[in-house]
Amino acid sequence: EADIYQTPRYLVIGTGKKITLECSQTMGHDKMYWYQQDPGMELHLIHYSYGVNSTEKGDLSSESTVSRIRTEHFPLTLESARPSHTSQYLCASSGTGQFSYEQYFGPGTRLTVT
Amino acid sequence: AQSVTQLDSQVPVFEEAPVELRCNYSSSVSVYLFWYVQYPNQGLQLLLKYLSGSTLVKGINGFEAEFNKSQTSFHLRKPSVHISDTAEYFCAVRTNAGGTSYGKLTFGQGTILTVHP
Repeated sequence: EADIYQTPRYLVIGTGKKITLECSQTMGHDKMYWYQQDPGMELHLIHYSYGVNSTEKGDLSSESTVSRIRTEHFPLTLESARPSHTSQYLCASSGTGQFSYEQYFGPGTRLTVT
Repeated sequence: AQSVTQLDSQVPVFEEAPVELRCNYSSSVSVYLFWYVQYPNQGLQLLLKYLSGSTLVKGINGFEAEFNKSQTSFHLRKPSVHISDTAEYFCAVRTNAGGTSYGKLTFGQGTILTVHP
């Protein structure tokens, strides 16, 4: 069973606040991903990591930053939240070899910036 | 670059009717194909995948999909839907080329399936 966790599930915050969205997985996966999903739209990759101390920006430009200090942990930070950051953020991970084909998703964090 | 087009944004059907959700992709290299389902307020769950071999793949919950290379399509089907199948469905493609795009998924816009009693 895939175990990937995201906290908080819902967050309402005021403009200008700093926030960190947490993502953890217990599967020992090397690869982790952050997607942004707006209602009725496809998922857009905003960050990914292929291992500890490895992070790359995704296809969609984002003002957020990420870090990967431990294999199981891939937090996303917004230094100064704005209403344009209102969205759902999904974290995913995938393994290696034959297990690299599937991405396992967390339940998501729905962020509202007022 | 690769792209995915889901031809229907919404598909309403009655319970026990068959359904087909359409997906077309474009890619200059060979790909792996996936269908994910997203229930309200949840993450994505893998329904099925095509990596190689038989072009007809079976997944969970009675869903199946057929890979058609000449038409670059990967349509999802179910012969008889249930109320519990109401959800949003996403088609995704992953190139199996190396380089910076390795392992990255490109998603379609999603199709909302609504099953009516």
